[in-house]
Amino acid sequence: TQLLEQSPQFLSIQEGENLTVYCNSSSVFSSLQWYRQEPGEGPVLLVTVVTGGEVKKLKRLTFQFGDARKDSSLHITAAQPGDTGLYLCAGLGQFYFGTGTSLTVIP
Amino acid sequence: ETGVTQSPTHLIKTRGQQVTLRCSSQSGHNTVSWYQQALGQGPQFIFQYYREEENGRGNFPPRFSGLQFPNYSSELNVNALELDDSALYLCASSLDRTPYGGYTFGSGTRLTVV
Repeated sequence: TQLLEQSPQFLSIQEGENLTVYCNSSSVFSSLQWYRQEPGEGPVLLVTVVTGGEVKKLKRLTFQFGDARKDSSLHITAAQPGDTGLYLCAGLGQFYFGTGTSLTVIP
Repeated sequence: ETGVTQSPTHLIKTRGQQVTLRCSSQSGHNTVSWYQQALGQGPQFIFQYYREEENGRGNFPPRFSGLQFPNYSSELNVNALELDDSALYLCASSLDRTPYGGYTFGSGTRLTVV
């Protein structure tokens, strides 16, 4: 089992603030994916990062894959209430999801 | 294209009973994975089926069993239900076992064991 630890577990911020969510493991991943899950729904894929050091941007979301491919981060700029949800990382093809970060953006 | 459909959406069962949850995979997807999710936590992997064969299993007891049919739809069966089995059960389909395009999840079945 390749354990994926996410931090923080819970995050409550005001609209307009910036935030960063971390996903860490002691194991190396070939690729890593980030999902967002809204209440009452299943997770939805946001991005797949495949190269160590890679940075991908999706509007106000910036994803980074660590150089050693053991960790990743998700940075949200100017958070909006629509960003509220559970953010999950997952190693590609590894079956297992991270522990999750529950984000609440307060209007 | 149709997404992943799970049924039923909600279910209440009594401890000791058996339950079957169903999942219709997205068109063209040959892999189905099942997860158990507690509120606010990451999904816990139960098992995965690829082309009707079990391709991996998480740390769940044998009373959790599954099946994948020739049309790639799937069932999750849980015998001798326990109170701790109360959770959201998610089904995810994918194009193959290592989906760069990600898993497509259903909205889940909320199981309550009383």
